[in-house]
Amino acid sequence: KAGVTQTPRYLIKTRGQQVTLSCSPISGHRSVSWYQQTPGQGLQFLFEYFSETQRNKGNFPGRFSGRQFSNSRSEMNVSTLELGDSALYLCASSPTRLGTEAFFGQGTRLTVV
Amino acid sequence: GEDVEQSLFLSVREGDSSVINCTYTDSSSTYLYWYKQEPGAGLQLLTYIFSNMDMKQDQRLTVLLNKKDKHLSLRIADTQTGDSAIYFCAESSNSGGYQKVTFGTGTKLQVIP
Repeated sequence: KAGVTQTPRYLIKTRGQQVTLSCSPISGHRSVSWYQQTPGQGLQFLFEYFSETQRNKGNFPGRFSGRQFSNSRSEMNVSTLELGDSALYLCASSPTRLGTEAFFGQGTRLTVV
Repeated sequence: GEDVEQSLFLSVREGDSSVINCTYTDSSSTYLYWYKQEPGAGLQLLTYIFSNMDMKQDQRLTVLLNKKDKHLSLRIADTQTGDSAIYFCAESSNSGGYQKVTFGTGTKLQVIP
């Protein structure tokens, strides 16, 4: 069974640009969650999607948004990038939405210059 | 709100046992997890325990859960240099049908040959 796939692995963007990250969950998993990891703030929950609907959202500004497609693949978008958005963005896949085990992808390393 | 705390650093000699501790505050936790993150990599799910269990053993890993004290520990038997990594404790809870995962700050395990 293939694991969680995140693309791209590395990305460099300029301040003010926008970026879209992609996550393909494990086949059959319907929940996709996104997390931001930085040295200063640690791991923080961004949002969770289940059946194409956002089910929960962490404490991030509206510049951070996402969506989920009918095949459960998810994208995360960050608009008007700031230097502080530089981070490792991790996606996790779960079979259901009720707090079951989550499997993480390798992450996308975003650098904003 | 939810809070998960871990000590920041642990150093052990190769062959000894390592015990990484974690405390959490959310009494409605459903699952508790241990993840491993090696330098430059994403998160790897090591093991998890359902909140109504006291103990789970998986090869060299033993998880102990004291639900009364909200204390979780991970014991690694016969620690090897390949176990050097950051270990994250996490808890998931179901609030109003939403899944949310909260991570600890991570414990850096250094294994001395």
